[in-house]
Amino acid sequence: DAKTTQPPSMDCAEGRAANLPCNHSTISGNEYVYWYRQIHSQGPQYIIHGLKNNETNEMASLIITEDRKSSTLILPHATLRDTAVYYCIVPFDMRFGAGTRLTVKP
Amino acid sequence: GAGVSQSPSNKVTEKGKDVELRCDPISGHTALYWYRQSLGQGLEFLIYFQGNSAPDKSGLPSDRFSAERTGGSVSTLTIQRTQQEDSAVYLCASSPSGSRYEQFFGPGTRLTVL
Repeated sequence: DAKTTQPPSMDCAEGRAANLPCNHSTISGNEYVYWYRQIHSQGPQYIIHGLKNNETNEMASLIITEDRKSSTLILPHATLRDTAVYYCIVPFDMRFGAGTRLTVKP
Repeated sequence: GAGVSQSPSNKVTEKGKDVELRCDPISGHTALYWYRQSLGQGLEFLIYFQGNSAPDKSGLPSDRFSAERTGGSVSTLTIQRTQQEDSAVYLCASSPSGSRYEQFFGPGTRLTVL
């Protein structure tokens, strides 16, 4: 089983921030948290990763709690094209889990 | 540059037949992964190759499944005596040395077992 838990689905209004949570309470000290997304009928796409500091790139921001037991992926201005399944993974496990199906609505 | 490629893109076979699925990783990537995804489900890890190390086969669902990676590049996933429950999209990913976890995925092979 995956070492992460995510809500099965979320909705977000277009133009608003989408905040996707992930729990990884059994994460060990040297394990990174990675986020991927999968748009319908395509292979997963890497988004961002982090260890303990918050990270930002052109796609998203990643906020990791101080105890590293959870993290939040933030899409600052969600668009319709961001509708996808978002996976949070702790790579040593190599299990993607079911992810969160994000639906961005106009 | 070229991404991960997989062939065939679609494969329809009859129950009991053997199938081979091919993955060409990004040139220079030392790690290669196979996953499968059933309709509406998340990704299921199957097997992982890293350089010359013994592969991690812990995700293979049965002994009908096997995979090889020849010359540290191309990989073939073989399913023997296919069953209807093997129907899924089979995804391959590769990642570069030193960045094991930033995986680049191919388009997948959709396998349908009749």
